[in-house]
Amino acid sequence: EAGVAQSPRYKIIEKRQSVAFWCNPISGHATLYWYQQILGQGPKLLIQFQNNGVVDDSQLPKDRFSAERLKGVDSTLKIQPAKLEDSAVYLCASSVGSSYNSPLHFGNGTRLTVT
Amino acid sequence: SQQGEEDPQALSIQEGENATMNCSYKTSINNLQWYRQNSGRGLVHLILIRSNEREKHSGRLRVTLDTSKKSSSLLITASRAADTASYFCATIGAAGNKLTFGGGTRVLVKP
Repeated sequence: EAGVAQSPRYKIIEKRQSVAFWCNPISGHATLYWYQQILGQGPKLLIQFQNNGVVDDSQLPKDRFSAERLKGVDSTLKIQPAKLEDSAVYLCASSVGSSYNSPLHFGNGTRLTVT
Repeated sequence: SQQGEEDPQALSIQEGENATMNCSYKTSINNLQWYRQNSGRGLVHLILIRSNEREKHSGRLRVTLDTSKKSSSLLITASRAADTASYFCATIGAAGNKLTFGGGTRVLVKP
């Protein structure tokens, strides 16, 4: 099966600019996740979707980050305006069911550098 | 905040040796998962162990879970250079549905 697709692979922007990341999960996977991974740390959940509904966005900085999952398939994550501390790898993952009982499948991520 | 904390933070071994890393967590869990991340890549799921299980095996991997000590261990036997990666534990809280990752153990297997 095709894996989780993410684009772009790399992005360099200046602070206060905006940026968007795209994710296409594995076909048939109901749950989609966006994680932020700062260099040298473990991934931190930003938002979790079940189909096209939000399950958890408690750690999403909503003043600058937004995410949507139209039609319960593809998803986009946007940052506007970006700050230096947003420099990280943004990982998208999907699972058949909830992470309660099914493993997550990750894409290779988008590495964001904010200068 | 991170639920799981891995120990050690970094590990360097020779090919053929065993590698053991530990994960401690703070609150009750439903299950615990281990993932591997090669440099510049996404995470790959290795093993899921439920709170009522004590040990699971998958190939050269062995995972144990001790809920009384709130800890888990991952053993990689007969390590290979290709096992060089970061290894993360992740937990699902008993009351929640969010997978929370630890900070990882960076493993270097020298040929």
